[in-house]
Amino acid sequence: DVVMTQSPLSLPVTLGQPASISCSSSQSLLYSDGDTYLNWFQQRPGQSPRRLIYKVSIRDSGVPDRFSGSGSGTDFTLKISRVEAEDVGIYYCMHSIQWPWTFGQGTKVEIK
Amino acid sequence: EVQLVESGGGLVQPGGSLRLSCAASGFNFINYWMNWVRQTPGKGLEWVANIKLHGSEMYYMDSVKGRFTISRDDAVNTLYLQMNSLRPEDTAVYYCVVNRGDYWGQGTLVTVSS
Repeated sequence: DVVMTQSPLSLPVTLGQPASISCSSSQSLLYSDGDTYLNWFQQRPGQSPRRLIYKVSIRDSGVPDRFSGSGSGTDFTLKISRVEAEDVGIYYCMHSIQWPWTFGQGTKVEIK
Repeated sequence: EVQLVESGGGLVQPGGSLRLSCAASGFNFINYWMNWVRQTPGKGLEWVANIKLHGSEMYYMDSVKGRFTISRDDAVNTLYLQMNSLRPEDTAVYYCVVNRGDYWGQGTLVTVSS
């Protein structure tokens, strides 16, 4: 199975400041079709997860542009340009290149 | 608006069975892969099972193979998960999920305990 490793696991941030979460995979997520199957999810307290980004950098509909994804191969990053109060929650990376799809451990974002 | 409404969770004894359902609306169900994902405080998020279009292929995580069966009824836009021989470690919130995580239901809690 592909192992997804996130860092940090806890991220205290100041409102209005940037935040960055790293995710690495144990093997390349570049598929033979030329796409890289790395996704980012946000789970706010008490809610179901919601996908923010797919294929490394494509934002889902309705996702604010302060969220951005980057990376290639086995190393990826989710950035929040200016953290807002509604961004508090746990963020997960997940690959979907081969079965079983697996998630990272999650990064808890909280306001300082 | 996409809606995924799970049902069928509850308390069951070890070795027992449950059948989860997910009623889908607001999108063309027949054109999407469907999945069950579970979440526990200890193990986080785990992708339990996946079913491709028309039920042509199914995939399961190793720990549920032979015990869980995913199925779909495209005529009524509903996804199912038949869970047999349940174990305490199957205790989790189970989510119905579209495609590669496009949409998630609100989840249904399954508790396996004597």
